[in-house]
Amino acid sequence: GIQVEQSPPDLILQEGANSTLRCNFSDSVNNLQWFHQNPWGQLINLFYIPSGTKQNGRLSATTVATERYSLLYISSSQTTDSGVYFCAVDMAGNMLTFGGGTRLMVKP
Amino acid sequence: EAGVAQSPRYKIIEKRQSVAFWCNPISGHATLYWYQQILGQGPKLLIQFQNNGVVDDSQLPKDRFSAERLKGVDSTLKIQPAKLEDSAVYLCASSLELLGYNEQFFGPGTRLTVL
Repeated sequence: GIQVEQSPPDLILQEGANSTLRCNFSDSVNNLQWFHQNPWGQLINLFYIPSGTKQNGRLSATTVATERYSLLYISSSQTTDSGVYFCAVDMAGNMLTFGGGTRLMVKP
Repeated sequence: EAGVAQSPRYKIIEKRQSVAFWCNPISGHATLYWYQQILGQGPKLLIQFQNNGVVDDSQLPKDRFSAERLKGVDSTLKIQPAKLEDSAVYLCASSLELLGYNEQFFGPGTRLTVL
């Protein structure tokens, strides 16, 4: 099956810093989603981005499908950004395959 | 718009007991998924329904896990008998699947502890 790798696995930032999270996948995909899992376990949809670039406030994402990677940018990080960020891809049949996640801690 | 609802939020049982989880998807979403998330890992698909039919249950341990979606809306996932390794968060998701657009939305999950 498809492999999804996220980097870095862990990230500690000072409040106000910027960061880039990466997601590599091993095969062509139909869809790609970024999620934030908050400390209570809820998966929050950030982006649905099979290709191209999208922005939502301090967050933006870019997927280069031909090169099989996606990037999530977090600018001016806040303590509420802490949690785990997951990338998930859908090859066919609509089942999502998740990466291992990036665990982010933002310190005040 | 109401999100995906799940209950219970937490469940503690002893091994070899039975347990059931309930999910109500977003209104109008034909596709429903159950995922298992073990601590420290990403969620993994257990079963996918399209309306009340099973699309993919290849990762469902069928000797102990069962799921149904009888009227194409709500779904239940059952474990009988439970093992220690079933301790995990069970997540339900739904999607609209319209013209190739298939964004999945997740419920809050049920955290299962098997003692």
